[in-house]
Amino acid sequence: ETGVTQTPRHLVMGMTNKKSLKCEQHLGHNAMYWYKQSAKKPLELMFVYSLEERVENNSVPSRFSPECPNSSHLFLHLHTLQPEDSALYLCASSQGRQVGNTEAFFGQGTRLTVV
Amino acid sequence: AQSVSQHNHHVILSEAASLELGCNYSYGGTVNLFWYVQYPGQHLQLLLKYFSGDPLVKGIKGFEAEFIKSKFSFNLRKPSVQWSDTAEYFCAVGGNQGGKLIFGQGTELSVKP
Repeated sequence: ETGVTQTPRHLVMGMTNKKSLKCEQHLGHNAMYWYKQSAKKPLELMFVYSLEERVENNSVPSRFSPECPNSSHLFLHLHTLQPEDSALYLCASSQGRQVGNTEAFFGQGTRLTVV
Repeated sequence: AQSVSQHNHHVILSEAASLELGCNYSYGGTVNLFWYVQYPGQHLQLLLKYFSGDPLVKGIKGFEAEFIKSKFSFNLRKPSVQWSDTAEYFCAVGGNQGGKLIFGQGTELSVKP
């Protein structure tokens, strides 16, 4: 148990579907992140939220839409995805908005398959 | 662009063998360095980190890593691996501009009993 919980663990969706990934952290952290983990590639930082404000968007396509309603919850809304978006999506949290300056705690991820 | 390179994609060892996983980074400024591990079916978790001080860092489960600034390296070592060390290992660099945490592509370690 990491203190960061992601649901669902697995998701299969068609290219025309709309779905959402959910992340919840119970660590009292003030920053949350979405990462994409594809096979044989480095983890890619997608979005950073600090104190519920989006502070970074790493050129992510608009078919991915994050939402952070409070410091404990983070969502990733998905619509009209492509098969190449199939990957493991990881949520992380930390105390402090600069994830590279402190330890990040990761959830177990959502395995997304786009068909 | 800043990058992190892990030299080995897949390493296979027998139990009790010694381990060294290479990690090099490209950023020239002050860095924070991390090794994360992902056991099968589990979340990424921190093995060890270096922010400053003694460049030889000891982490959990008998792992250690050495920061060599002149070589831009932060190699992970363990003198004697166990079957339970089978996992994927990720090197990451932070402390750079923007506070990002940049990961290498990972090294899969398989330890044969």
